[in-house]
Amino acid sequence: NAGVTQTPKFQVLKTGQSMTLQCAQDMNHEYMSWYRQDPGMGLRLIHYSVGAGITDQGEVPNGYNVSRSTTEDFPLRLLSAAPSQTSVYFCASTSGSRLTQYFGPGTRLTVL
Amino acid sequence: GQQLNQSPQSMFIQEGEDVSMNCTSSSIFNTWLWYKQDPGEGPVLLIALYKAGELTSNGRLTAQFGITRKDSFLNISASIPSDVGIYFCAGLNYGGSQGNLIFGKGTKLSVKP
Repeated sequence: NAGVTQTPKFQVLKTGQSMTLQCAQDMNHEYMSWYRQDPGMGLRLIHYSVGAGITDQGEVPNGYNVSRSTTEDFPLRLLSAAPSQTSVYFCASTSGSRLTQYFGPGTRLTVL
Repeated sequence: GQQLNQSPQSMFIQEGEDVSMNCTSSSIFNTWLWYKQDPGEGPVLLIALYKAGELTSNGRLTAQFGITRKDSFLNISASIPSDVGIYFCAGLNYGGSQGNLIFGKGTKLSVKP
């Protein structure tokens, strides 16, 4: 059981570039989420999914897209990177039966 | 949006000391989770609480779900150097979508110089 995996671990982008952050879980959880973590701001929800084919916006969705074609994968897409998107991004999946959330190791993104 | 007030923001510990931190909210939660985050890593779940008044331990860690459902406490007994890190509380709104937790801003534990 690998739990929640994220790739890449580090990424540097130029303003305007696009990229996809990958997230996968092998726990067969229906619920998956993306957060960003900034100094002094805690964790803020970007997008979430309650199952394959279903996604919804969180607290800070602007500039990000998600899709959920399978239970295992929940990629986060940055359409046109901006310096304000420099952050650490965490993917999480939730055990539906006990409402327990597990986090991946994070992707550290810098936008120049 | 809803926020959790986590305190203290930071504290210094000496090995062997007991540590306490708490989270409060203006709204009710029906689940409280406590996480620890080490530098460069993702948050790791420490304790999960599902019922008002529940008191749960995990080794030297003890957490309680407040009777009013609006607060939770985490205590660490006889602290050791590896307890250093950032501790987050997280609550789930009653009736909210599963997986959408509200996080506190964290309590940073450091070692006394």
